[in-house]
Amino acid sequence: LAKTTQPISMDSYEGQEVNITCSHNNIATNDYITWYQQFPSQGPRFIIQGYKTKVTNEVASLFIPADRKSSTLSLPRVSLSDTAVYYCLVGYMDSNYQLIWGAGTKLIIKP
Amino acid sequence: NAGVTQTPKFRVLKTGQSMTLLCAQDMNHEYMYWYRQDPGMGLRLIHYSVGEGTTAKGEVPDGYNVSRLKKQNFLLGLESAAPSQTSVYFCASRGGLAAHNEQFFGPGTRLTVL
Repeated sequence: LAKTTQPISMDSYEGQEVNITCSHNNIATNDYITWYQQFPSQGPRFIIQGYKTKVTNEVASLFIPADRKSSTLSLPRVSLSDTAVYYCLVGYMDSNYQLIWGAGTKLIIKP
Repeated sequence: NAGVTQTPKFRVLKTGQSMTLLCAQDMNHEYMYWYRQDPGMGLRLIHYSVGEGTTAKGEVPDGYNVSRLKKQNFLLGLESAAPSQTSVYFCASRGGLAAHNEQFFGPGTRLTVL
């Protein structure tokens, strides 16, 4: 099973760009990389997913280098409401494969 | 479209009592999951279902049972609650075959076992 490593916590300020890097050295050929966001007392929410290179949506960007052993979630111009825990997961195309959730990165945005 | 709902939102049990947590989804998803989340930790999979009438064990199944009699509902049962089962329980569902497809989560049930 692929395992991910993320920083336990990060601080930043409103208006800044925040980059959270996730290491997944044992990622398999068919694994996708998925990021979720979790606010206190809520279930996680899907943010973005990618396989290689760069993916961008209205919320974030995901950068994946050629070797795919790491990935970086980029949040542009964060606000206080971006304070949350962010989880990086890897998983492949097996309908029964269970994604392993690590402890995530607790991001705190300061005014 | 309510998505994924969970009942109840909060519950306090005494050791040895039993209870059932209900999860319902209206997205016609085949796959449903029950997770537990303890303070400062990620989610741990308890049981899951790949379709109506099927269930399977996840990472931490001991002390729990599940049933999926209807496609839209996934029930999690605690037959004899223990303080170690104090946690927040999340239900999730996903569609399609790929394991990396987006999971949709319910709001959670906060359970305290005294």
